[in-house]
Amino acid sequence: GNSVTQMEGPVTLSEEAFLTINCTYTATGYPSLFWYVQYPGEGLQLLLKATKADDKGSNKGFEATYRKETTSFHLEKGSVQVSDSAVYFCALSDPRSYKLSFGAGTTVTVRA
Amino acid sequence: GAGVSQSPSNKVTEKGKDVELRCDPISGHTALYWYRQSLGQGLEFLIYFQGNSAPDKSGLPSDRFSAERTGGSVSTLTIQRTQQEDSAVYLCASSVGTGHTEAFFGQGTRLTVV
Repeated sequence: GNSVTQMEGPVTLSEEAFLTINCTYTATGYPSLFWYVQYPGEGLQLLLKATKADDKGSNKGFEATYRKETTSFHLEKGSVQVSDSAVYFCALSDPRSYKLSFGAGTTVTVRA
Repeated sequence: GAGVSQSPSNKVTEKGKDVELRCDPISGHTALYWYRQSLGQGLEFLIYFQGNSAPDKSGLPSDRFSAERTGGSVSTLTIQRTQQEDSAVYLCASSVGTGHTEAFFGQGTRLTVV
């Protein structure tokens, strides 16, 4: 079945530091890949997505590239801000399955 | 509506009582999902609706849990004879279709069983 593994947190960074959150997946088909973010006290919202191999999703300075050869979708941001403090979830959607499969989530705290 | 709406936002109930959680998806979204978010458990799939049908109920933890969807719109998740381990945030999401499409999530209902 489909599964997502993402790096465990929590991750604590200083402002302007570089952020990477690793995500790898297992899927039987050709999934779409997503990063969702949950800010404190808010619901889950889509941060970025990629629907096929070598696609790069980007939003709010975050980027992730769909790597089929390594089955990975690592999230990166070059210079984080305090407002980026949140829980980040990697997810995949298999067109044959309709379910979203989520990673466990990574809590990121950015300190001023 | 503009987004997925869930009610109530918070619910405290006594062990053994029944609770109903409501989800109002984005208008026109045919797919609706319920997930549960527990401390240390991540996001757990519960059930999926396509229209009013539920092709996959495999994530429901026990027969105390049930869900329905009417008019291809509002969905209700019912938990009977609640237990303390049912305490969690229950999230509803909807999407225009399945597969590659984005799911939009509601704010969730925080259920606390005391």
